[in-house]
Amino acid sequence: EVQVVESGGGLVKPGESLRLSCAASGFTVSDAWMSWVRQAAGKGLECIGLIKRKTDGGTTEYAAPVKGRFTISRDDSKNTLFLQMNSLNSDDTAMYYCVTDHGIRPYWGQGALVTVSS
Amino acid sequence: DVQLTQSPSTLSASVGDRVTITCRASQSISNWLAWYQQKPGKAPKLLIYKASILESGVPSRFSGSASGTEFTLTISSLQPDDFATYYCHKYQGTFGPGTKVEIK
Repeated sequence: EVQVVESGGGLVKPGESLRLSCAASGFTVSDAWMSWVRQAAGKGLECIGLIKRKTDGGTTEYAAPVKGRFTISRDDSKNTLFLQMNSLNSDDTAMYYCVTDHGIRPYWGQGALVTVSS
Repeated sequence: DVQLTQSPSTLSASVGDRVTITCRASQSISNWLAWYQQKPGKAPKLLIYKASILESGVPSRFSGSASGTEFTLTISSLQPDDFATYYCHKYQGTFGPGTKVEIK
């Protein structure tokens, strides 16, 4: 069964860093396109970045609001995706979801809440 | 980058109504589109994937279709549980701005 589980959310102060993890099971992360989606309270869904599967180059892409501050990576040995978030500000407060497609069906995790507040 | 537009942004309807939501892509996305339902405080729920495949367990009153870069989510007979916000999503990419279905 395909499953992704996020962890690492929490409360941080402006300017601080946080790393989210997305542990995958039922598939190999290096064989899948994976993305991070966030949603601030009362707002719409926003794809903030993705990483292509290894056979497609394994490159990353980022949305403008996070480019240069956030980094997506994966650890194939742990079958885990990461989102390193630096220089966090209040606009980054949101629920963060790990999303992948296995075959043709999307799979989402339960989400990790990130709160940036002094 | 592919942009998705949704219409209408808000829809007022009654129980039993047939409801149609449209999502238009700025370029071809080869039917790599999903539809989600979201209620306040809850995670998005997958309804339709690959433009027209009904997710397991989702009532058959929901259906999806595609014609070129125009995608449609139809609810054949609106039920009380269907009042929510609906999003289209290009796989591993952008989301539509959402359509809120309200009680008329």
